[in-house]
Amino acid sequence: AQSVTQPDIHITVSEGASLELRCNYSYGATPYLFWYVQSPGQGLQLLLKYFSGDTLVQGIKGFEAEFKRSQSSFNLRKPSVHWSDAAEYFCAVGAVEYGNKLVFGAGTILRVKS
Amino acid sequence: DAGITQSPRHKVTETGTPVTLRCHQTENHRYMYWYRQDPGHGLRLIHYSYGVKDTDKGEVSDGYSVSRSKTEDFLLTLESATSSQTSVYFCAISELPSGRASEQFFGPGTRLTVL
Repeated sequence: AQSVTQPDIHITVSEGASLELRCNYSYGATPYLFWYVQSPGQGLQLLLKYFSGDTLVQGIKGFEAEFKRSQSSFNLRKPSVHWSDAAEYFCAVGAVEYGNKLVFGAGTILRVKS
Repeated sequence: DAGITQSPRHKVTETGTPVTLRCHQTENHRYMYWYRQDPGHGLRLIHYSYGVKDTDKGEVSDGYSVSRSKTEDFLLTLESATSSQTSVYFCAISELPSGRASEQFFGPGTRLTVL
């Protein structure tokens, strides 16, 4: 079955430090890849997406992600984390093989130390 | 922000009672989805709709039904609520099916507690 794995349930980083959140998916010849962010008590906001072309994509709030087909990965990065980045982050994958659905990872909770 | 509203935003109900959650969109998007969010599970698809009166099941559809009589409204019904259905429910919309290059936009969520 199709699956999306976010190996880190919680990550804690210091303010100003760099961040990388990992995401791996099971299969999909032409995946459509997304990162969403959810602040406490809020809905999900799209950070960035990859459909095709340049494998390094830029998103909002200074985030970027790199698609690596050989590793079935779409890791999210930010060079310098701000306290306001504390939230839960979800990776999601869509593909023809997944039908009319997005498959979500379980999420990674980011804590930022001041 | 995409024009998606959910009602009610919070609800407490008792086991065995029927509950209906409403999702309303002003974007005229064809596809609408209902998810539930539980700690450690991310978002899991309950049902989705690909047009008026056209719906299909997701991965956790047992105990839930949906209806879509108008493009803008997608209703989720728990016929007889159980404590295992305590969760946060999110509605989402998209222009194209998620098997194509199309992002989903999410509503603010409904927190449901079944006592």
